[in-house]
Amino acid sequence: KAGVTQTPRYLIKTRGQQVTLSCSPISGHRSVSWYQQTPGQGLQFLFEYFSETQRNKGNFPGRFSGRQFSNSRSEMNVSTLELGDSALYLCASSRAWGAKNIQYFGAGTRLSVL
Amino acid sequence: DAKTTQPPSMDCAEGRAANLPCNHSTISGNEYVYWYRQIHSQGPQYIIHGLKNNETNEMASLIITEDRKSSTLILPHATLRDTAVYYCIVRVAGGNRDDKIIFGKGTRLHILP
Repeated sequence: KAGVTQTPRYLIKTRGQQVTLSCSPISGHRSVSWYQQTPGQGLQFLFEYFSETQRNKGNFPGRFSGRQFSNSRSEMNVSTLELGDSALYLCASSRAWGAKNIQYFGAGTRLSVL
Repeated sequence: DAKTTQPPSMDCAEGRAANLPCNHSTISGNEYVYWYRQIHSQGPQYIIHGLKNNETNEMASLIITEDRKSSTLILPHATLRDTAVYYCIVRVAGGNRDDKIIFGKGTRLHILP
């Protein structure tokens, strides 16, 4: 069974640009969560989607947005990139929404903003 | 704020059991304890989780105290490949808008040859 797939693995952008990251969940999983990991702040929750609806949101500015498609694949978008957005962005999928459902993580997309 | 407290680092000799403690003194009755680990620059890997009872799987054992205020992750025979950062987190059961998974700083486990 394939795991969580994130594309691309590496990305370099410049300040002011926007970026879209993609996540394909494990087959049969309907919930997708996104996290940002930086050396200073550690792993921080961005948002969670289930059945194409955002169910939960962390404390990030509106420049960070996401969506989920009917096939459960998800994308997250960051507009007007800042240097501080350089991070490892992780996606996790689970069968459904809520703490009873184990989240499985992808390998992440490493974004560098120059 | 992280709802769990872990030591920043621990050492364990290869082949010995690694016992990683976690304090979650404010845990509620409907909150699960989850353990993940992260090997450098990879995505976190699920290890084990529990609500009240002790749990065991092919990777590890989870011992939860009777008052649920702390738990211990046990890797029975540590190998060099177990060197990683181990995160203990708590999550509210059921779909809940307050269920924001909060990762603390974790414990950096060094397995010594």
